[in-house]
Amino acid sequence: DVKVTQSSRYLVKRTGEKVFLECVQDMDHENMFWYRQDPGLGLRLIYFSYDVKMKEKGDIPEGYSVSREKKERFSLILESASTNQTSMYLCASSLYPGHDYGYTFGSGTRLTVV
Amino acid sequence: DQQVKQNSPSLSVQEGRISILNCDYTNSMFDYFLWYKKYPAEGPTFLISISSIKDKNEDGRFTVFLNKSAKHLSLHIVPSQPGDSAVYFCAASDPQTGANNLFFGTGTRLTVIP
Repeated sequence: DVKVTQSSRYLVKRTGEKVFLECVQDMDHENMFWYRQDPGLGLRLIYFSYDVKMKEKGDIPEGYSVSREKKERFSLILESASTNQTSMYLCASSLYPGHDYGYTFGSGTRLTVV
Repeated sequence: DQQVKQNSPSLSVQEGRISILNCDYTNSMFDYFLWYKKYPAEGPTFLISISSIKDKNEDGRFTVFLNKSAKHLSLHIVPSQPGDSAVYFCAASDPQTGANNLFFGTGTRLTVIP
């Protein structure tokens, strides 16, 4: 089974802090994604990466950056956390080509910024 | 512009009855459709999928129907059980968009009442 592991289930950070969310997948997937989920807004794509050191902006990249130094690890960085970044953050990975298999998600990180 | 739409944010159904979750899409290039199920504080998990060359796919209590001419798909759950209470996301894949090929709806929260 593909496993996508997010380092923290719950995080509480202060406004202005730099926050790192880590994600690791163990199935050699090329593609990795960061989403945030908010009630009524569904899954919104923040950034994705299709290869090591490659990144692409998603729909809502403002206030975020990412890092992919190794194939299995994709990090989401909140440069200066704000209260409107309080959300559920979901990491996913996928095999490419092979869109038939969809994405595999991690368990999520519930981030609260106070 | 939202290419995949779930117009019902919530649905309540009695235990044992049928649950029908609907999804509409606009992109005729979508060739694969998936449903994900998400419990609170967990990541979405794959539930069932269907290729565009089919109009029905069944897996136990779950059946997905695809109407390509109407650009509509639906998920039927029969009989519904309290453990089915979750948020359900519809997703569609466009193979021409490269790595970021999965587009999600905003989700429908299903509540199965015992």
